[in-house]
Parts: sequence; C-alpha cells; structure tokens
Amino acid sequence: GAGVSQSPRYKVAKRGQDVALRCDPISGHVSLFWYQQALGQGPEFLTYFQNEAQLDKSGLPSDRFFAERPEGSVSTLKIQRTQQEDSAVYLCASSLGRGTGNTIYFGEGSWLTVV
Amino acid sequence: RKEVEQDPGPFNVPEGATVAFNCTYSNSASQSFFWYRQDCRKEPKLLMSVYSSGNEDGRFTAQLNRASQYISLLIRDSKLSDSATYLCVVNSLLKGSARQLTFGSGTQLTVLP
Repeated sequence: GAGVSQSPRYKVAKRGQDVALRCDPISGHVSLFWYQQALGQGPEFLTYFQNEAQLDKSGLPSDRFFAERPEGSVSTLKIQRTQQEDSAVYLCASSLGRGTGNTIYFGEGSWLTVV
Repeated sequence: RKEVEQDPGPFNVPEGATVAFNCTYSNSASQSFFWYRQDCRKEPKLLMSVYSSGNEDGRFTAQLNRASQYISLLIRDSKLSDSATYLCVVNSLLKGSARQLTFGSGTQLTVLP
C-alpha cells in the first residue's frame, strides 16, 4: 500500500483480555517503530525494529507488552492481560533506512479502549 | 522533567492572526528538530524540520536556539485549516544509528472565523 497500515483501527477489550495490533509498514522500509499516545499527550516511544531485529524495547511499559517483526515487514504489538491504563492510541511508524536523515511515516493508529 | 516541554495551550486565535509556539528540550546531545502537526483523531505528520539558521515554509517559520535548547514555530496569517495540535519533536539516536523521535505533549491551536 501507499502508506503505513494498521489494524484494527478501533478495539474495545475487556480488562484481562489479550489484544494483538498489526502494522503493515511501507514496502521496503527497514525501520519500524511503535509509539503509545495517551489522550492529550504526545506519542511515547515503545520499541524499534531494524528489519526483523528488535534493537530497542526500552519503552515497553511492562512485560505484558510484546512486539515482533519476524520477517522484517509486518509487525505485531501484543498486549497481554490488558489493564485500563493501556487505553491509548498505538501508532506504528516506518522509515526507509537506518540513518537520521530518513523521514518517518506514521499509520493512523489503533485506538484501544480497555473497559 | 520531560525531555521535550511545550505549552499545552489551547491557543484560540482569530483568522489572520500571528501565533507563536515555544518548546524546550533537555538533551543537549539532540541532533535534529522538527514540528509535526496532528489533526484530531489522525496520525502525526511532519510539518517542517528546524535548522539552526532558522527556516521558513510559506506562512510558517521555525527557529532553533541550541545554546538555550529552545525551538519555536511562528504561524502568520493563520487559516481555519491550521487548527490542529502542533508537536515539538527532537531526535535522539537509538541503537543501530536510527532515529528515535521524542515528542512534546503538543500545543492545541484553534483558529476562529
């Protein structure tokens, strides 16, 4: 596709339920990022992939959060045993290369509400 | 203290007004600076990069003061379509030499008819 695609766009989960959020980056993009954006806040870094390698996961808030990108393209962010504080928009972004000169493109986000 | 701080606003201005947003960052090793725009329920989109010499793109002017660790965005002759949240963004290096963007909380702008 032309841009970064995320699914589902909206998800309502009951507390304790597991959720999986999918990101389809722009074709050929090496770098992939996940961000969490709470209401009224800016996006907060969660994790970064370079191809299939997860080079930084320092932003994941707890061990209930897990991300993978097994073939270096599509990525999945999984949240186990969801809590109300997990309610946020989860933004995926990708960029063509590894260097600092590459523009980052965001998907429209997956809106998660935990009830 | 947050790494990137912005005045959250909201800024409510009439059409045609000039409005300025300010931002400070704490990491003196930061290398690149940006303003992103985020419309309601949409993803952030790059508005403009910010260079040390200052740069202009139409009605938008961005300034960077590395000594004071301060970034600004000036919007002249504001339009209704400028209504959005403006995010100040700073680059920090990640492992593997890729960019990590650190976002401010955003400044909300509403341009009134």
